[in-house]
Amino acid sequence: DADVTQTPRNRITKTGKRIMLECSQTKGHDRMYWYRQDPGLGLRLIYYSFDVKDINKGEISDGYSVSRQAQAKFSLSLESAIPNQTALYFCATSDLQGGGELFFGEGSRLTVL
Amino acid sequence: GNSVTQMEGPVTLSEEAFLTINCTYTATGYPSLFWYVQYPGEGLQLLLKATKADDKGSNKGFEATYRKETTSFHLEKGSVQVSDSAVYFCALTFTNTGNQFYFGTGTSLTVIP
Repeated sequence: DADVTQTPRNRITKTGKRIMLECSQTKGHDRMYWYRQDPGLGLRLIYYSFDVKDINKGEISDGYSVSRQAQAKFSLSLESAIPNQTALYFCATSDLQGGGELFFGEGSRLTVL
Repeated sequence: GNSVTQMEGPVTLSEEAFLTINCTYTATGYPSLFWYVQYPGEGLQLLLKATKADDKGSNKGFEATYRKETTSFHLEKGSVQVSDSAVYFCALTFTNTGNQFYFGTGTSLTVIP
């Protein structure tokens, strides 16, 4: 099983719908992140969390919210999806003691029609 | 501010050719530098890293040297294989904070037999 698991892997939805992307990890890391990948733009940080009680906005947090339900779980929500949120979303974890390396899930491809 | 600029792709090479993917950075302090690789349908995974000036990261035949004087971290491989076809991302972070990774836009590499 993967260390960082994302569900769903693929989702097609309509404008205005609420969507939740879930991430769980078995690495025991405190730090978790949500990134968005768009062609030609690389990865952009949406939200990050250093522990269960810590949530921080990244560079593109508008239109998104997150919930850190436990050390191992970090969910990303789109309250009212819009077409320009069509993208590939990645969850990642890190351990500061590990030298800053990020460990990524396999991605969740979201299409908003 | 902090940013990473990498060579635009796509890059197409014949098997056994020499590979260079350029990466330069702008940073307000002394970052750690990374190359991540994304194989088709997968999340990003760490390829190599360097944490201080003049360090050389290496893995799977790939190398990159942290050049502070030219603010560069170019990725090289002497003889590419078809299995190296992937998207390569240069990134930096500051390990004393660990909260913000700055990624380049990615360079797609295709190796043909």
